[in-house]
Amino acid sequence: ETGVTQTPRHLVMGMTNKKSLKCEQHLGHNAMYWYKQSAKKPLELMFVYSLEERVENNSVPSRFSPECPNSSHLFLHLHTLQPEDSALYLCASSQEGGGGWEKLFFGSGTQLSVL
Amino acid sequence: GQNIDQPTEMTATEGAIVQINCTYQTSGFNGLFWYQQHAGEAPTFLSYNVLDGLEEKGRFSSFLSRSKGYSYLLLKELQMKDSASYLCAAMDSNYQLIWGAGTKLIIKP
Repeated sequence: ETGVTQTPRHLVMGMTNKKSLKCEQHLGHNAMYWYKQSAKKPLELMFVYSLEERVENNSVPSRFSPECPNSSHLFLHLHTLQPEDSALYLCASSQEGGGGWEKLFFGSGTQLSVL
Repeated sequence: GQNIDQPTEMTATEGAIVQINCTYQTSGFNGLFWYQQHAGEAPTFLSYNVLDGLEEKGRFSSFLSRSKGYSYLLLKELQMKDSASYLCAAMDSNYQLIWGAGTKLIIKP
């Protein structure tokens, strides 16, 4: 148990569906992240929220829309996805302001399949 | 460009020692991380090195050579539960993490 919980664990959706991924951290951290993990590829950072403000958006297509209503919750809203978006989506949190580096605490991810 | 290289897959025997190498090229450097990820589970933090040398934590050790852009993770007395993917990540001058694709370690009895 890492203190970061993601739901659902698995999701199958059609290209015309709208769905949301949820992440909750119980660690009191002030930063949250969305990563995409595809097989045999490096983790891709998608979005970063620090103190509930979005500070990073790495050229992610607009069909992915993040939301951070408070420091403990993070959502990723999905709509009109493509089959190449099928991947494991990982949420992570960290405590910023600790002197330059902070380790990430990851959730177990949502395995997304787009048909 | 920024890049991390690590082997895709390695196989080792229970009770033995294995070394997983990682080379990096980044714009500036603020440290090197190793994470462990069991299949279907969250990646978990193993180690952080920013100074040259070896850091030991029980059966796991991590080494860094900044001049060579090189790190390795050393696992001793391998156990079946060490079967996992090991992710190497370097932090650049902007404190951004550059990730490798991971090394899948298979432990055989």
